[in-house]
Amino acid sequence: AQTVTQSQPEMSVQEAETVTLSCTYDTSESDYYLFWYKQPPSRQMILVIRQEAYKQQNATENRFSVNFQKAAKSFSLKISDSQLGDAAMYFCAYGRETSGSRLTFGEGTQLTVNP
Amino acid sequence: KAGVTQTPRYLIKTRGQQVTLSCSPISGHRSVSWYQQTPGQGLQFLFEYFSETQRNKGNFPGRFSGRQFSNSRSEMNVSTLELGDSALYLCASSFSGAFQFFGPGTRLTVL
Repeated sequence: AQTVTQSQPEMSVQEAETVTLSCTYDTSESDYYLFWYKQPPSRQMILVIRQEAYKQQNATENRFSVNFQKAAKSFSLKISDSQLGDAAMYFCAYGRETSGSRLTFGEGTQLTVNP
Repeated sequence: KAGVTQTPRYLIKTRGQQVTLSCSPISGHRSVSWYQQTPGQGLQFLFEYFSETQRNKGNFPGRFSGRQFSNSRSEMNVSTLELGDSALYLCASSFSGAFQFFGPGTRLTVL
C-alpha cells in the first residue's frame, strides 16, 4: 500500500522569507501524481501544485515550487516570499490515474507565518 | 465554472441516527470522491463514484454508503451514527482521476 509521510507537524516562517515543507512517500509504481494541498482555517482544501512522476522537471506555480526526487521518493514544497495568507495546514498527497480518484494523504504540516 | 458544493455545511446528530450528505461536482466532472477528516486519523478515503458506479472503496464499515446520480451529484449516507463519526466530510470531484477539486466540507457532530 502507498504511504505518504510528512515529518514536520509544525513549521514557522517570517513574512517574505522562504520555507520548505518535506514529504516522503512509498510506492512500487512508476506512474503516479503527487500533490500539495493547502487547508486554511476555512477548511477548504485548495490545490497548490501537482507533479507528474514521469516529468523530470520540477513543477512551479508562482511563489510555490517543488523539489521532486523520484529515486529518493521525496517531494518537498518550497514557498518563496511567504505571505500571511500562506498560513495554513499543508497536505502532501499521492494518487494514480489507474486508481481513479483515490488520494493518499500525509499527516499534514501546520505552517505559521510571522509578521 | 462553479466549484464543488456540499450541503449541509454543518450538521448535529445524536448517536444511532442516520445522516445523508450531498455533493454537487464541478460541471462536466464524472468522478466524485468522499474523504473523512478527523484530528486523530487525518484524511481518509471513503469511496469514489464514477458514472454512477462505485469505482473505489476505502476501509470503512458498511454503515458508510454512497451513491451517484445521473447528473453526477453524489450522496453519502451514514447509518447508526457513533460518536467517532464526528468529522469533517470532504467531497472532491474530477473529470476522470487523480486531479481533484475539493468542496468546502460538511462538519458532522455526533452527540
